[in-house]
Amino acid sequence: ELKVEQNPLFLSMQEGKNYTIYCNYSTTSDRLYWYRQDPGKSLESLFVLLSNGAVKQEGRLMASLDTKARLSTLHITAAVHDLSATYFCAVDMRSNYQLIWGAGTKLIIKP
Amino acid sequence: EAQVTQNPRYLITVTGKKLTVTCSQNMNHEYMSWYRQDPGLGLRQIYYSMNVEVTDKGDVPEGYKVSRKEKRNFPLILESPSPNQTSLYFCASSPSADRAQFFGPGTRLTVL
Repeated sequence: ELKVEQNPLFLSMQEGKNYTIYCNYSTTSDRLYWYRQDPGKSLESLFVLLSNGAVKQEGRLMASLDTKARLSTLHITAAVHDLSATYFCAVDMRSNYQLIWGAGTKLIIKP
Repeated sequence: EAQVTQNPRYLITVTGKKLTVTCSQNMNHEYMSWYRQDPGLGLRQIYYSMNVEVTDKGDVPEGYKVSRKEKRNFPLILESPSPNQTSLYFCASSPSADRAQFFGPGTRLTVL
């Protein structure tokens, strides 16, 4: 079965702390995407990872892809309240641009 | 302004009454896609299109139809809606399938 699992599904943390969201997927793929969704809003692209070892950074967020381990991580450094949102990873596991999505990680950052 | 628009934004309808949700993008994007979002399930892809007249099924195509007669438009058609199609629907587009997608604002559909 083609599955994308995100961990944790819910995360409450303090400002200033570091944390990592994990995205595991069940079969080989070298195309993985991270998106952010604010409550009641649409989705916004964060990162596109297209090869093994890809690493991308934007501000306090850094994403990486390990295709051998079938794992992507989204690392948050020195979290700030504005990063509170739900984060989704999506994987192209059939190499035909049909994306399978994780259930999302709801992140709450407390001042 | 570069954007993906969807109409309507909210719709309450009854079982069996055909409806169309429109999606339009002004960025000349090749790739377009429809998703539904349900609590706890993330997004599930319904249909996608690589270009005009080229469409393919996603994970949950049953009960839906699409067409891509023009590059900018990708309507989602529910021929005979049922309550299990009550959901939040998103249209998205991107320059190509391996690029980031731009999402529309969403259409909240309730089928009674």
